[in-house]
Amino acid sequence: AQRVTQPEKLLSVFKGAPVELKCNYSYSGSPELFWYVQYSRQRLQLLLRHISRESIKGFTADLNKGETSFHLKKPFAQEEDSAMYYCALSSSGSARQLTFGSGTQLTVLP
Amino acid sequence: DAGITQSPRHKVTETGTPVTLRCHQTENHRYMYWYRQDPGHGLRLIHYSYGVKDTDKGEVSDGYSVSRSKTEDFLLTLESATSSQTSVYFCAISDKGNYGYTFGSGTRLTVV
Repeated sequence: AQRVTQPEKLLSVFKGAPVELKCNYSYSGSPELFWYVQYSRQRLQLLLRHISRESIKGFTADLNKGETSFHLKKPFAQEEDSAMYYCALSSSGSARQLTFGSGTQLTVLP
Repeated sequence: DAGITQSPRHKVTETGTPVTLRCHQTENHRYMYWYRQDPGHGLRLIHYSYGVKDTDKGEVSDGYSVSRSKTEDFLLTLESATSSQTSVYFCAISDKGNYGYTFGSGTRLTVV
């Protein structure tokens, strides 16, 4: 069975500091991984997906198959980055169901 | 406009009553999903659809049923609501799953 683990429920950093949100996964096949973000009182939005290797809002994430990790990083956190972040793993079936982690609430302090 | 709407946005209902939540899309996407969001659990898949009248169960499907009679509408029914079904329900759509989902704004359901 596939599983996504986000070990930190809460994470606080100061503005301008680097931030890393951890995500580990368990999957027997070739994984497809995503990060979603939910700002206060808003819908979940796709932040980035590993297959595109893009950087959105200064965030990057690298898939490490050896460590089965997909950590989200940003070198200089901003207050507007405060949000709930979810890591998600896609199934291999045609419907591509996503399995989500439990989420990390990031607070960027002034 | 994200092309996906959920109704109602908020609902309070009594234990034992049936409840139907609606998800409507204007994107003509093939895949539709229902998730529930609970603290400490993240989002968990309830049911999903891969076409009209084609649905399947997710991780937490007990007590829920779905129907999709048209491409644009995906209904989630709580057959007899219980307090454990108090949650925020999100609908999502996808054209090709590996490009990610588009989510609705959610329905906050309280069962008293």
